[in-house]
Parts: sequence; C-alpha cells; structure tokens
Amino acid sequence: GIQVEQSPPDLILQEGANSTLRCNFSDSVNNLQWFHQNPWGQLINLFYIPSGTKQNGRLSATTVATERYSLLYISSSQTTDSGVYFCAVGSGNTPLVFGKGTRLSVIA
Amino acid sequence: DARVTQTPRHKVTEMGQEVTMRCQPILGHNTVFWYRQTMMQGLELLAYFRNRAPLDDSGMPKDRFSAEMPDATLATLKIQPSEPRDSAVYFCASAPLGYGYTFGSGTRLTVV
Repeated sequence: GIQVEQSPPDLILQEGANSTLRCNFSDSVNNLQWFHQNPWGQLINLFYIPSGTKQNGRLSATTVATERYSLLYISSSQTTDSGVYFCAVGSGNTPLVFGKGTRLSVIA
Repeated sequence: DARVTQTPRHKVTEMGQEVTMRCQPILGHNTVFWYRQTMMQGLELLAYFRNRAPLDDSGMPKDRFSAEMPDATLATLKIQPSEPRDSAVYFCASAPLGYGYTFGSGTRLTVV
C-alpha cells in the first residue's frame, strides 16, 4: 500500500517563528489532506489539497503531485498552533492513509 | 457548521463486556469511515461504507468487531467481547465522494 512519511517528527518553536512541515508519499494520489490534532484530541481538517497551493490565514499548503510531496507552512506561530499535524493521502476512491505526524510545540 | 457526532465521548468498561460506539455522519456525505488511534499504531482504518454498503472491513479483528450502517444517519461499531488491547480512541469520519473528510470528536475507550 501507499506509504506516507512526515518530517520532522518533532518541532519546537518560539512564538512568532515560521515553520515548514513536509509530507512525502510513495505513489500517485488524488486525495491529500492536512489535519491538526489539538491537545484535546480533535482532528481538524486544515486543507484538502491533492495538488496546487492554498492559503488560510497564517497557514498555507502546497502539493507537488508529480514529485510526490506536500508542504505545510505555518507563519507567525502561536501557542494555539501546538499539537500534532497529520498528512493523509489516498488514491482512486481508497480511504486516506495517515502519516505518523509532526508534533509541534510553540512556546511563549 | 455541519459536524460528525460521536457518542459516547468516553467509555470505561470491563474486559469481556460489549461496547457499542455510534456515529452520526454529516447529512449528504455518502462515505463513512471508522479509524482507531493508538500510540503504537497511529491512525489506522478499521472499516468504511459508501452509500451504506460496507466496502472494506479488513482492518478489523473479525471475531470481535462488527460495523454496521442501519440507515444514512447512523453508523455503529461494536466490540464483543472487549479486551484491554482494544483501549484506544475510535474516530468516525464522513465525506462526500471526492472531497475532504470531516472527523468526529472520537470515543475514548478504556477496557480494564
């Protein structure tokens, strides 16, 4: 099955710093989503981005499907950005396969 | 905002007991998924339905787990008998075909 690798596994940032999270995947996909799991365990959909670039406030994401990677950018990080960021991919109509996540801690 | 509703939020039960988790998907979403999250395995797919028909439940231990979708507004995941290794957070998600998933808040199950 498709493999998803996320990096880095852990990241500690000072409030106000910027960061880039990476997701590599092993096969062609037509579904890619980024999720944020907050400290209360909720999985929040950030982006549905099988290709191209999207922005939502301080967050943006880019997927280069032909090179099998996606990037999530967080600018001017805040303590509320802390949690685990998951990349998940799918091909055809198959369900999403999740990476192991990047654990982000933003300190004041 | 439309949301996926899961009940109960927390469940503590004794080994051997039956556990039923429920999910109300978003109206109009034709695909419903059950995922399980543990520290060791991360998020793994247990089963999913499209237009209420089960498409894949290969991720579930068949002898003790069962998933059903009796109508378009309800999906259930049942464990009988439960074991301590079933302790995890169980998430339901729904999606319209070809679009992003929306997850419920999860059911945190502890089997003692």
